[in-house]
Amino acid sequence: NAGVTQTPKFRVLKTGQSMTLLCAQDMNHEYMYWYRQDPGMGLRLIHYSVGEGTTAKGEVPDGYNVSRLKKQNFLLGLESAAPSQTSVYFCASSPPGQSSYEQYFGPGTRLTVT
Amino acid sequence: AQTVTQSQPEMSVQEAETVTLSCTYDTSESDYYLFWYKQPPSRQMILVIRQEAYKQQNATENRFSVNFQKAAKSFSLKISDSQLGDAAMYFCAYRSYNTDKLIFGTGTRLQVFP
Repeated sequence: NAGVTQTPKFRVLKTGQSMTLLCAQDMNHEYMYWYRQDPGMGLRLIHYSVGEGTTAKGEVPDGYNVSRLKKQNFLLGLESAAPSQTSVYFCASSPPGQSSYEQYFGPGTRLTVT
Repeated sequence: AQTVTQSQPEMSVQEAETVTLSCTYDTSESDYYLFWYKQPPSRQMILVIRQEAYKQQNATENRFSVNFQKAAKSFSLKISDSQLGDAAMYFCAYRSYNTDKLIFGTGTRLQVFP
């Protein structure tokens, strides 16, 4: 049981390049989330999904797109990377319902945009 | 909108001593969950302890306990018998009863000295 995995672990992009971060979970969780972590700002929610085929905006969605074509995968895309998107990105998942009070986090992806 | 505030960017404690990390939050809701997450240098987010707002009894997990003051909107974390492995960033987080979105504070870096 791998839990939540993220690919890649590190990436350096040039301004204007695009990339996709992959999050995969093997716990059959309905809900999945993408956060970014910046120094001194804690984690902020980018987008989230409450089930296969559904996505919704979080606190800081601009410049990102997401897709949830399969229940176990949640993709985060940057169409045209900007230096302001330099951050550590975390994926998380949780089961649905009011009992789902724990989110399980992946190990993070460190992205640098030059 | 809910907010979470951690006013101590850094704290330090001697091994085997006790330390308390502070967290305050702002909400108009009556039902919610509160969490403390630990983030060691590996970046992995680890759930330390959680508290349901409707429970008056403070949560305890081994050496970790909370002081939950609902009226004061305060949720502090006490670490007893501190160990070197407790050194990490600690994040306080809030989750509304009706959503699965976590709102994080900015974190407190805890150093543990031998």
